[in-house]
Amino acid sequence: GIQVEQSPPDLILQEGANSTLRCNFSDSVNNLQWFHQNPWGQLINLFYIPSGTKQNGRLSATTVATERYSLLYISSSQTTDSGVYFCAVSGGSYIPTFGRGTSLIVHP
Amino acid sequence: SAVISQKPSRDICQRGTSLTIQCQVDSQVTMMFWYRQQPGQSLTLIATANQGSEATYESGFVIDKFPISRPNLTFSTLTVSNMSPEDSSIYLCSVLDGTSNTGELFFGEGSRLTVL
Repeated sequence: GIQVEQSPPDLILQEGANSTLRCNFSDSVNNLQWFHQNPWGQLINLFYIPSGTKQNGRLSATTVATERYSLLYISSSQTTDSGVYFCAVSGGSYIPTFGRGTSLIVHP
Repeated sequence: SAVISQKPSRDICQRGTSLTIQCQVDSQVTMMFWYRQQPGQSLTLIATANQGSEATYESGFVIDKFPISRPNLTFSTLTVSNMSPEDSSIYLCSVLDGTSNTGELFFGEGSRLTVL
């Protein structure tokens, strides 16, 4: 199956800082999503982005499918951005595979 | 986008008992999945719930331990049988959005189980 690697595994920021999270995948994919899991365990859809670039407020994401990676940018981070960020991909089977996640802590 | 309701949201269970988690979707969806997330870990796919037939289980998961029902295109249940403390996890129901014809995945709020 498709392998998904996320980096860095852990990230600690001061409020207001910017950050970039990376997702590498081992094969071509038809679907790619970024999720934020809040401290209560709920998974929030951030971006569905199998290719191209999208922006939503302080967050943006870029997927370069030909080079098999995706980036999630967080600008002007806030304490509410804390949590775990997951990348999930799938190919033709639509069965999603998740990376191990990036754990983000934003200090006030 | 699909709206997914899971029940219970959390529970504390005794060793050796079983618990059934319900997942209700507000629209008909073709593909529905059950995931487990052990403490501090990523999400692991348990099975794909198939409407009207037996679920398709991933390696390491068996029907006797995690029986799944899916009687229609909007509802599914996952039972965690004969629980042990190692089953303490968040269990998540997810679906592929059936309205947009993409592979976009949506999740319920999750069911956090603690087994004593």
